[in-house]
Amino acid sequence: GAGVSQSPSNKVTEKGKDVELRCDPISGHTALYWYRQSLGQGLEFLIYFQGNSAPDKSGLPSDRFSAERTGGSVSTLTIQRTQQEDSAVYLCASSTTSVGGSYNEQFFGPGTRLTVL
Amino acid sequence: RKEVEQDPGPFNVPEGATVAFNCTYSNSASQSFFWYRQDCRKEPKLLMSVYSSGNEDGRFTAQLNRASQYISLLIRDSKLSDSATYLCAVIVMDTGRRALTFGSGTRLQVQP
Repeated sequence: GAGVSQSPSNKVTEKGKDVELRCDPISGHTALYWYRQSLGQGLEFLIYFQGNSAPDKSGLPSDRFSAERTGGSVSTLTIQRTQQEDSAVYLCASSTTSVGGSYNEQFFGPGTRLTVL
Repeated sequence: RKEVEQDPGPFNVPEGATVAFNCTYSNSASQSFFWYRQDCRKEPKLLMSVYSSGNEDGRFTAQLNRASQYISLLIRDSKLSDSATYLCAVIVMDTGRRALTFGSGTRLQVQP
């Protein structure tokens, strides 16, 4: 079946502009995660959506970052007034809901490579 | 101290060799453990979950040592195609968050 998809695959923007990144999770996956990967920082968590619950935003690095998930499926990550340090690969992952306290496996999309000039 | 630590390598091994990586985690409330494989400029791909009793998938064996707080990945009969960065990841139960915390990865280069 189809995996996690993300768009655009690459985005080059100028400092100060806003960008929107999109993620389509695997059909039927209720949990959706955003991570970013940059040189020297590794993979870091940004935000987590689970069903209709309030998202866990604890990983967002600043208030310029926000995300929403409409209809429990597609998610958009928005970065306002982009800075050069926002340059990274933004990865989306999804998983099924865990049962009995276990944590289900997360599957990643191909990512959006963001370059802020 | 980082929550999840890995030797960055690189590990350079000949084809057919057996190679093992360790990954240590600092939070004893870590509950779920995974190994991912990441090729250059690609997304991480799930290699295997790590179960308490250890588990095997073909040439790959994963082990969990809760007492010493580490997980390991053993690759037998290495292939050229195994060359990649191997990331370990954990989920910490006490945060209530189900996001993965990753190590920085161990690079493996299998040579002909």
